[in-house]
Amino acid sequence: KNQVEQSPQSLIILEGKNCTLQCNYTVSPFSNLRWYKQDTGRGPVSLTIMTFSENTKSNGRYTATLDADTKQSSLHITASQLSDSASYICVVSDRGSTLGRLYFGRGTQLTVWP
Amino acid sequence: EADIYQTPRYLVIGTGKKITLECSQTMGHDKMYWYQQDPGMELHLIHYSYGVNSTEKGDLSSESTVSRIRTEHFPLTLESARPSHTSQYLCASSESADSGVGQFFGPGTRLTVL
Repeated sequence: KNQVEQSPQSLIILEGKNCTLQCNYTVSPFSNLRWYKQDTGRGPVSLTIMTFSENTKSNGRYTATLDADTKQSSLHITASQLSDSASYICVVSDRGSTLGRLYFGRGTQLTVWP
Repeated sequence: EADIYQTPRYLVIGTGKKITLECSQTMGHDKMYWYQQDPGMELHLIHYSYGVNSTEKGDLSSESTVSRIRTEHFPLTLESARPSHTSQYLCASSESADSGVGQFFGPGTRLTVL
């Protein structure tokens, strides 16, 4: 059962516009939540990582928020660029094992049009 | 330069062939992982390793095998490839302790079995 749900599944925006991607999770016990950017045919690249005590973290034009109470996270992209076109994956880690198991969302496919 | 490499990037092969997907990292990470990802779907963990001579199966059952003879090297082998093995295979590595940096992913190998 997929414990990380992302929405929307796909999104098309015009260059220069802002957008927000959503992630809801049911993973427990929670360790941290990560947002990755995956270009087509490439491996995922980490954008942000947030622990339980953090509710916002920025990386350039990317700002992630976390509400651990409602188990929701969002990734806000400001002033989008054509190079932002990619799949954005929400990943939640639990504390239930030494491995720190990762639960992956299916990603939001973002397309930025000129 | 610290990085994680995968070869080949693309592989098209006939049914029944034996294949080995290579993964190497130069970051000195103890933990390494193999994921399988179909288009538009989430990553599924198929193998992981805590260190040299340590290998474990992941969440998704796979007919592939792995070995960890050297810290930096984590190859994946399919003894007899089948069309059902067609997928993208992603290798990742991380530090022993969860420093909050997360996993570093390689560029992936796109495997097509005819």
